[in-house]
Amino acid sequence: DTEVTQTPKHLVMGMTNKKSLKCEQHMGHRAMYWYKQKAKKPPELMFVYSYEKLSINESVPSRFSPECPNSSLLNLHLHALQPEDSALYLCASSQRGWGDYEQYFGPGTRLTVT
Amino acid sequence: GEDVEQSLFLSVREGDSSVINCTYTDSSSTYLYWYKQEPGAGLQLLTYIFSNMDMKQDQRLTVLLNKKDKHLSLRIADTQTGDSAIYFCAEKGGENTDKLIFGTGTRLQVFP
Repeated sequence: DTEVTQTPKHLVMGMTNKKSLKCEQHMGHRAMYWYKQKAKKPPELMFVYSYEKLSINESVPSRFSPECPNSSLLNLHLHALQPEDSALYLCASSQRGWGDYEQYFGPGTRLTVT
Repeated sequence: GEDVEQSLFLSVREGDSSVINCTYTDSSSTYLYWYKQEPGAGLQLLTYIFSNMDMKQDQRLTVLLNKKDKHLSLRIADTQTGDSAIYFCAEKGGENTDKLIFGTGTRLQVFP
């Protein structure tokens, strides 16, 4: 099983709302990732968790707040977003947070900020 | 630099072979990957190649790596309409980093 699940599939939120994106994997992977993908562009790395600890933050604004409650779950808390934050948010996981292990992606959450 | 370049668009007839090219810049990359993304979906890992290999074949997919020229290609034999998607190459930004650097993506369109 190489499945990464993400909920919700679509999300529309206003600029004053607080919402969360969820990601789950049951492959025993110890690294999890958040990516942002704008239309017709490649994914851009936002955050990496390795062994439930934040190992990379790609200078992401504080209105995005990641959380890794356990090795299977990854959340992205959203607050006071801007319309330009509208994008497809992809979660991925890999066996380890270092070395050459392939990343498996979820289907994404399409976020629209109004 | 960390730019990974791909041609934007490729159109092929069903049954023909498709070749998608990628030029990367980080010579320390140990693994290089090919991902497929269908409209509105996440990324599907297709195949990968270790940097000490020149070629890897996996069913209809053949990956060629020219490390000297930092050139990677993906050949899809007997291309089908279901292969229509965006294809991204990606490299690890060095052995001891978690960061995956994606190419600009190639949109493959297969027509009957």
